[in-house]
Amino acid sequence: GAGVSQSPSNKVTEKGKDVELRCDPISGHTALYWYRQSLGQGLEFLIYFQGNSAPDKSGLPSDRFSAERTGGSVSTLTIQRTQQEDSAVYLCASSSYRALETQYFGPGTRLLVL
Amino acid sequence: AQRVTQPEKLLSVFKGAPVELKCNYSYSGSPELFWYVQYSRQRLQLLLRHISRESIKGFTADLNKGETSFHLKKPFAQEEDSAMYYCALSGQGAQKLVFGQGTRLTINP
Repeated sequence: GAGVSQSPSNKVTEKGKDVELRCDPISGHTALYWYRQSLGQGLEFLIYFQGNSAPDKSGLPSDRFSAERTGGSVSTLTIQRTQQEDSAVYLCASSSYRALETQYFGPGTRLLVL
Repeated sequence: AQRVTQPEKLLSVFKGAPVELKCNYSYSGSPELFWYVQYSRQRLQLLLRHISRESIKGFTADLNKGETSFHLKKPFAQEEDSAMYYCALSGQGAQKLVFGQGTRLTINP
């Protein structure tokens, strides 16, 4: 079946603009995660959604970052007033909800802030 | 605090030689440890997890709680093993993963 998909695959924006990144999880997966992969920082957890529970936002680096998940499926990560340090690959993953269930990753969105 | 350390950013070995990718962790409870791999132009994917105690593609990893390590080993490296390897930790009751910085493994012919 289809894996996790993300769009756009690449995004170039100017400093100060807002961007939206989209993630379509695997059908039936109730858990959805956002991570950021950047040079020098490795892979960092950003936010986690599980069903109708309140999301775990503990990894969001600033209040410019927000995410929502509509209908328990598609998720959008929004970065407001982008900064050059936001340049990174943003990865989405999904899993079914059981403890330690395998996370399946999308191809990522490569964001470049000029 | 949860922390994963992979001391080697780059590791290069010859085909047929043994390979060991080091991973150390810091966590006060009982962690769950994973190895994820990213081959060139492919997605990040799970390689193995310690609770499964299985060998995948010839790789094994043993959790050593005394040394807080979860090193990845393979006795005879193959060229197709060239990839980026990430060690990751999940805390008790948690779903999110804490990743190490990654090790880029290159297998030379």
